[in-house]
Amino acid sequence: AQSVTQLGSHVSVSEGALVLLRCNYSSSVPPYLFWYVQYPNQGLQLLLKYTSAATLVKGINGFEAEFKKSETSFHLTKPSAHMSDAAEYFCAVTKAAGNKLTFGGGTRVLVKP
Amino acid sequence: NAGVTQTPKFRILKIGQSMTLQCTQDMNHNYMYWYRQDPGMGLKLIYYSVGAGITDKGEVPNGYNVSRSTTEDFPLRLELAAPSQTSVYFCASSYGDSLNQPQHFGDGTRLSIL
Repeated sequence: AQSVTQLGSHVSVSEGALVLLRCNYSSSVPPYLFWYVQYPNQGLQLLLKYTSAATLVKGINGFEAEFKKSETSFHLTKPSAHMSDAAEYFCAVTKAAGNKLTFGGGTRVLVKP
Repeated sequence: NAGVTQTPKFRILKIGQSMTLQCTQDMNHNYMYWYRQDPGMGLKLIYYSVGAGITDKGEVPNGYNVSRSTTEDFPLRLELAAPSQTSVYFCASSYGDSLNQPQHFGDGTRLSIL
């Protein structure tokens, strides 16, 4: 069975500082990995996805994530946090040829001025 | 395009009552999903459908039922509401499987069972 672990349910960063959100996965087959963002009182929006084409994936709003098979990780980063980045972020995984996502528990990001 | 529309946005039910959460999408997506979101637990899949007339159980289907009579609509039914079903429910849709096509989410229905 596949699973996703997000380290840290809450992260606080200063505006302009690096944002680093950690995601580790376990999967018996090559995984497909996703990061979603959820703003207050809204549904989830896709930030980026890894589907084996390239290990460094760039997404929307300046976010990027790197797939590291040796570490079974897919951490999300943004060089400089903006106030509008305050949201909850979810890492998710699905197996090849699957259509069902397994989500991590989420990390809520607070951006301090 | 409205995308994925969920109604109602909020609802309070008494234990044992029943209700239907509505979900409709106008993107002609064949795949639709229902998730529940509990604090610190991420989203868990309740039911999904790969096309009209086809539904299947997800990770946490107990206490729920679904139907898919049209491409656009995918209602979720709670027959005997229980406090454990207090949650935020999200409907999502995609054109194909999630490898190549992202899931589009509605804004959610916040349900409290008292």
